[in-house]
Amino acid sequence: GNSVTQMEGPVTLSEEAFLTINCTYTATGYPSLFWYVQYPGEGLQLLLKATKADDKGSNKGFEATYRKETTSFHLEKGSVQVSDSAVYFCALSTGAGSYQLTFGKGTKLSVIP
Amino acid sequence: GAVVSQHPSRVICKSGTSVKIECRSLDFQATTMFWYRQFPKQSLMLMATSNEGSKATYEQGVEKDKFLINHASLTLSTLTVTSAHPEDSSFYICSAREPGRSLTDTQYFGPGTRLTVL
Repeated sequence: GNSVTQMEGPVTLSEEAFLTINCTYTATGYPSLFWYVQYPGEGLQLLLKATKADDKGSNKGFEATYRKETTSFHLEKGSVQVSDSAVYFCALSTGAGSYQLTFGKGTKLSVIP
Repeated sequence: GAVVSQHPSRVICKSGTSVKIECRSLDFQATTMFWYRQFPKQSLMLMATSNEGSKATYEQGVEKDKFLINHASLTLSTLTVTSAHPEDSSFYICSAREPGRSLTDTQYFGPGTRLTVL
């Protein structure tokens, strides 16, 4: 079956530090990969996505590259801000008419001034 | 972007009672809605897929008689937790997708409902 493994949190960084949150996956077929972000008290929001190997998703300074050879989709940002404090979820979705998402456990990021 | 609301945001009930949670797509019509359950420090676990006008499809291990799902209109799906017990306490999240969207298009998530059963 499908599964997503992401690094355990919580992660605490100082403002302007470099961020990496690792994500690896197991899936049948060719999945699409997503990063969702959940700010305190809010619902999950799509941060970025990639639909095929070597695609790079990017948004709000965050980037992630679909690496088929390593089955990974690591999230990176060069300089985090306090406003980036949230829980980040890696997820995948496979084809065959399924729109269901399989999520990782989430990584809580806290950015301190 | 599209907005999905949930009501209530938080509910506390006594053991043995039933609780209904509503999920609404506010500015689009959703033929498919999903219900998830999230335990502390755990991932979102898909409970069921709700299709407008038809019976929901439940994931393995989810009791359909305990978690009743009704998708009566294109903008509303409800989850009723029947005869709730303390182990049903959790964070319930719904999501919705617009019809005609491709597989890679996003789902829109509600803010979640915190259920506490005493």
